Amino acid sequence: GDSVTQMEGPVTLSEEAFLTINCTYTATGYPSLFWYVQYPGEGLQLLLKATKADDKGSNKGFEATYRKETTSFHLEKGSVQVSDSAVYFCALSGGGATGNQFYFGTGTSLTVIP
Amino acid sequence: EAGVAQSPRYKIIEKRQSVAFWCNPISGHATLYWYQQILGQGPKLLIQFQNNGVVDDSQLPKDRFSAERLKGVDSTLKIQPAKLEDSAVYLCASKPGRTTHEQFFGPGTRLTVL
Repeated sequence: GDSVTQMEGPVTLSEEAFLTINCTYTATGYPSLFWYVQYPGEGLQLLLKATKADDKGSNKGFEATYRKETTSFHLEKGSVQVSDSAVYFCALSGGGATGNQFYFGTGTSLTVIP
Repeated sequence: EAGVAQSPRYKIIEKRQSVAFWCNPISGHATLYWYQQILGQGPKLLIQFQNNGVVDDSQLPKDRFSAERLKGVDSTLKIQPAKLEDSAVYLCASKPGRTTHEQFFGPGTRLTVL
């Protein structure tokens, strides 16, 4: 079945460091791919998305490119800030009985230290 | 625009007791989801509604979990009786329709079963 495999954490970086969180997926068909972020005590928020191969999603300095050939959707940011400390979830949409189910990765906790 | 509302935010019960969670989606959103997020894992879909009809409940443990969405607006999720392994955050999410991809999440209800 469809699934998402995400880089395990926790990840600790110094402010202004480069961030990469790896995400690979398994899917039948042509899923849409997402990164959600969960700040402490809050619900999940959409960070960025890509709906077809070679699309690049971007938001708040974060980027991810939908790579069909490597079935990947890695999250990157050139210079992280303390306020980026959160849990990041990779997800895909397009699977399940309805073709519309979301599958989430296990999440990667990021802590950015000053 | 008001977000997805959930209550209560926290609930502590003893095993074999019953518990109910409530969700009010964003106004006009036809699709509603309930997810279970166990600590250290990504959200797992329990049930998906389209208006007041169930679209996918294949992962709902129907011997103890039930959900309804009367009138296609608010929804309740019930666990009866609860087990220790039901301790998790229960997330509600909604989206405008079947063809849009982004889901909007509520803050969740944290359930602890003792």
